Amino acid sequence: DAGVIQSPRHEVTEMGQEVTLRCKPISGHNSLFWYRQTMMRGLELLIYFNNNVPIDDSGMPEDRFSAKMPNASFSTLKIQPSEPRDSAVYFCASSPGTADTQYFGPGTRLTVL
Amino acid sequence: SQQGEEDPQALSIQEGENATMNCSYKTSINNLQWYRQNSGRGLVHLILIRSNEREKHSGRLRVTLDTSKKSSSLLITASRAADTASYFCATDGSNYKLTFGKGTLLTVNP
Repeated sequence: DAGVIQSPRHEVTEMGQEVTLRCKPISGHNSLFWYRQTMMRGLELLIYFNNNVPIDDSGMPEDRFSAKMPNASFSTLKIQPSEPRDSAVYFCASSPGTADTQYFGPGTRLTVL
Repeated sequence: SQQGEEDPQALSIQEGENATMNCSYKTSINNLQWYRQNSGRGLVHLILIRSNEREKHSGRLRVTLDTSKKSSSLLITASRAADTASYFCATDGSNYKLTFGKGTLLTVNP
């Protein structure tokens, strides 16, 4: 298996632009997680899905952030409009079940100018 | 609220020495996991210990869990330069999702 795939690996955009991050989980995994990592705040869980259904989105910072999982093999995290404080590394992870071992993707490094 | 807290925040040792990192948490758990993150990469799962286990080994890794003190430790024996990374503990709370601590940055000097 190729593991969790994320794209793009790097994204540089200007404030106000829409940003879409993509994730392909490991086939057969039922849970998918989106995290944000910064030096100041560490690793924060933004949202997680179980069987394509959002279970907990309490970590989503504000309405500018949205996430979808239209099918078991694809998820997106969208930021619209983006702001400089959104600059971070965004990780996607998947696991067989919610509290099982999580397998992380390589991350997307987002820079908002 | 943050569940796991690692201690120390940073640790620097010489190759061949043992490294011990600690994790404390606040509420009851089903299991506790340790992950490693190399600079610029995603987290990699190292070991999982269940709440009814007290100690677990995997290669040069030894993990202990004391549920009465709500703490865990990760010991890396005979460290190598390649062990340089950040180490995170993760706990599952009542809602079964994992919560990660802020990590311990381990530097192993050759």
